Amino acid sequence: AQSVTQPDIHITVSEGASLELRCNYSYGATPYLFWYVQSPGQGLQLLLKYFSGDTLVQGIKGFEAEFKRSQSSFNLRKPSVHWSDAAEYFCAVGATSGTYKYIFGTGTRLKVLA
Amino acid sequence: NAGVTQTPKFQVLKTGQSMTLQCAQDMNHNSMYWYRQDPGMGLRLIYYSASEGTTDKGEVPNGYNVSRLNKREFSLRLESAAPSQTSVYFCASSPGLAAYEQYFGPGTRLTVT
Repeated sequence: AQSVTQPDIHITVSEGASLELRCNYSYGATPYLFWYVQSPGQGLQLLLKYFSGDTLVQGIKGFEAEFKRSQSSFNLRKPSVHWSDAAEYFCAVGATSGTYKYIFGTGTRLKVLA
Repeated sequence: NAGVTQTPKFQVLKTGQSMTLQCAQDMNHNSMYWYRQDPGMGLRLIYYSASEGTTDKGEVPNGYNVSRLNKREFSLRLESAAPSQTSVYFCASSPGLAAYEQYFGPGTRLTVT
């Protein structure tokens, strides 16, 4: 069955430090992969997406993610975190065949220390 | 360009009451969705509409009904609210299914007492 796992519920980093948020998926074919960000009291906003081609994708706000088929991972990275990056981050997988599936991970809440 | 709008923003219901959550999008998207978000559980799909005139159940449809009124509007109805339906509800839209990013509304915080 298709699934998405975000192993880290909470992550705390200092402002200016690098960030990596983990996402692992389970799906038989190459999935469509997405990262979204949710600020408090807001809806989700797309950061970036991977469909095919170059496995390193660039997104908004200086984020990037790398698709690693061998590890079934799509980790989100940022070289230098800003205080405004404090939010909750969701990985999502879209199915490309069969019954429609679009599954969100349970999220990782990022806290940034000044 | 408003994107996805939802009304109301907040609602308190008593057990057994009914209500309809409204959602509209102005991006000419074919597909629309209703999710609920609960702490520690991420987003769970309630119902979706692949295109105007069609609706399908998602992961947690029990206790809900939907109407795709036209291409722009997709409403969610709670016929007899229960405390277990206390949640934040999000509407989203996308050009199509699966392969597309979704655009989210600001959410409705619903409390059922």
